[in-house]
Amino acid sequence: DVKVTQSSRYLVKRTGEKVFLECVQDMDHENMFWYRQDPGLGLRLIYFSYDVKMKEKGDIPEGYSVSREKKERFSLILESASTNQTSMYLCASSPMTSEYNEQFFGPGTRLTVL
Amino acid sequence: QQPVQSPQAVILREGEDAVINCSSSKALYSVHWYRQKHGEAPVFLMILLKGGEQKGHEKISASFNEKKQQSSLYLTASQLSYSGTYFCGTTPHFGNEKLTFGTGTRLTIIP
Repeated sequence: DVKVTQSSRYLVKRTGEKVFLECVQDMDHENMFWYRQDPGLGLRLIYFSYDVKMKEKGDIPEGYSVSREKKERFSLILESASTNQTSMYLCASSPMTSEYNEQFFGPGTRLTVL
Repeated sequence: QQPVQSPQAVILREGEDAVINCSSSKALYSVHWYRQKHGEAPVFLMILLKGGEQKGHEKISASFNEKKQQSSLYLTASQLSYSGTYFCGTTPHFGNEKLTFGTGTRLTIIP
């Protein structure tokens, strides 16, 4: 069974803290993604990685950075958490382009910044 | 710019049919559909490509009008298990791995 796992389901942090969200996939996928999900806004792409050490900004990268040192692992970093980063964060992976680049999602991390 | 989904929410009785629409202001290469049940990860339903190819689950059907940049998801004889939020995601051209998702349509099926 293919799987994308995220390090925490729930996380509470204080304003100004450095936050790491981890994502691991076991499908040997080249592509990995970080989204945030907010009510009424759907899923918005924060960052995308298509290979180890390669990354591209998504639609809302401000306040975030990412790291991909190994193919199976993709980390999202909030350098200095702020209350407007309270959200659900979803990680996904997909194989390198075939025509049908289905994305597989992790269960999500609900982050609350106080 | 995110694709626009309609309706935003719909309530159906078991056995009724539903259509969920996804419309983009940009030319599209592909449209993806996902369903997210409450508290769970989004799950792939279907991909439709420019030119007519598609891949998806047998019980789900959808259409893609390339000229209008629109896609519709058809849910027939709805079951309780169809409840959830449906998202469309679009790509502008082949080789673009990044999906731009719509804001979602919440579907509630009642007995």
